[in-house]
Amino acid sequence: QSALTQPASVSGSPGQSITISCTGTSSDVGNYNYVSWYQHLPGNAPKLMIYEVSNRPSGVSSRFSGSKSGNTASLTISGLQAEDEADYYCSSYTTTSTLVFGTGTKVTVL
Amino acid sequence: EVQVVESGGGFVEPGGSLRLSCVASGLTFSHAWMSWVRQAPGQGLEWLGRIKNGGATDYAAPVKGRFTISRDDSKNTVYLQMNSLKSEDTAVYYCNWNSDLYCTMRVWGKGTTVTVSS
Repeated sequence: QSALTQPASVSGSPGQSITISCTGTSSDVGNYNYVSWYQHLPGNAPKLMIYEVSNRPSGVSSRFSGSKSGNTASLTISGLQAEDEADYYCSSYTTTSTLVFGTGTKVTVL
Repeated sequence: EVQVVESGGGFVEPGGSLRLSCVASGLTFSHAWMSWVRQAPGQGLEWLGRIKNGGATDYAAPVKGRFTISRDDSKNTVYLQMNSLKSEDTAVYYCNWNSDLYCTMRVWGKGTTVTVSS
């Protein structure tokens, strides 16, 4: 199972919106609505930000939103803030009953 | 509040074995699904496998046959047994609680570091 494809880096100024893409195949992203997004700060535990494509866990800011079209899922961060600077990973359940992560995207707030 | 704490990391020589432990609290552990994920230096997250309530397991292809996940519900603990370790297995290993069959990883531990080196 190959890793899902994400851009290596995305940047934006405070207040702007950015979108991170996550491209898979019909065996993962395209087959299930079980796409999640995780925020990871070095040295910290990863944090679930979005699950089942577009649902936010309790406590996660509404500035984070998710969507999916075909084999590509997306995470949008609106009103970008300095505290959003981190690595972001998508994940998807697969047809082989396993999980695959994306390659990861470093978000930089300019 | 669900909490997860890993332990057991350390230094091991190539070809050696190591068993990691993960204790979960704040949940009915016997009903819990748990996964292991690792991050090698400078690399992204890699899902290793998971154990369902009842003990059934699934593994990522790269570690299948070399890594084994087990659980002891009486101790609220899940284990990752790693055999025939290689330098490429050097990583921070994370345990996490999955809220559903589809590996939604709700709560993560802070990780334990494994270094494979001679």
